Amino acid sequence: GAVVSQHPSWVICKSGTSVKIECRSLDFQATTMFWYRQFPKQSLMLMATSNEGSKATYEQGVEKDKFLINHASLTLSTLTVTSAHPEDSSFYICSARDLESPKTNEQFFGPGTRLTVL
Amino acid sequence: KQEVTQIPAALSVPEGENLVLNCSFTDSAIYNLQWFRQDPGKGLTSLLLIQSSQREQTSGRLNASLDKSSGRSTLYIAASQPGDSATYLCAVTNFNKFYFGSGTKLNVKP
Repeated sequence: GAVVSQHPSWVICKSGTSVKIECRSLDFQATTMFWYRQFPKQSLMLMATSNEGSKATYEQGVEKDKFLINHASLTLSTLTVTSAHPEDSSFYICSARDLESPKTNEQFFGPGTRLTVL
Repeated sequence: KQEVTQIPAALSVPEGENLVLNCSFTDSAIYNLQWFRQDPGKGLTSLLLIQSSQREQTSGRLNASLDKSSGRSTLYIAASQPGDSATYLCAVTNFNKFYFGSGTKLNVKP
């Protein structure tokens, strides 16, 4: 099956700094990628939809100036958490949609990035 | 807005038991439903995907069913093993968006 990677797998940063997380589709092209956040013992919540070559679409309540998304190529989307604070500490997971998949709207998920803000 | 509910929230069973996990959703206009497994601190592993036109899918000891009209899906795990211990998430999709349930945490005791 299709593979999605994330880098880094975990990161610890100081409050006030910015952190960039990469999401790559390794063996397929993804015009659309998705970013999710998961707090401890909770389910995944969609943060934004990343579209190649255009602006991301953010879910209600997600600050677009704080969570910057760039989808510069068909295989790479990045999420930058700007001026991170301890409440941003979470598990961030991306997914990518394989347009050539015969299964409607099949998406493949990355392994996640654990962000801890001190 | 689509809401997905999973029952039970947690389940502990002895090894070898057959078990059923439940998922319900409020909007039957879905593209597909997918079951995932998540180990602690890890990402998602896709188990089964049922397209909206299908009734069930099987993979090894796993069988998932879908009843769109009633907004329900079940994941049946046969002959459970300690290695099956994980959190199981179901998700439904409406076009591009995934809506996840809160998961069922399964513990299979040796």
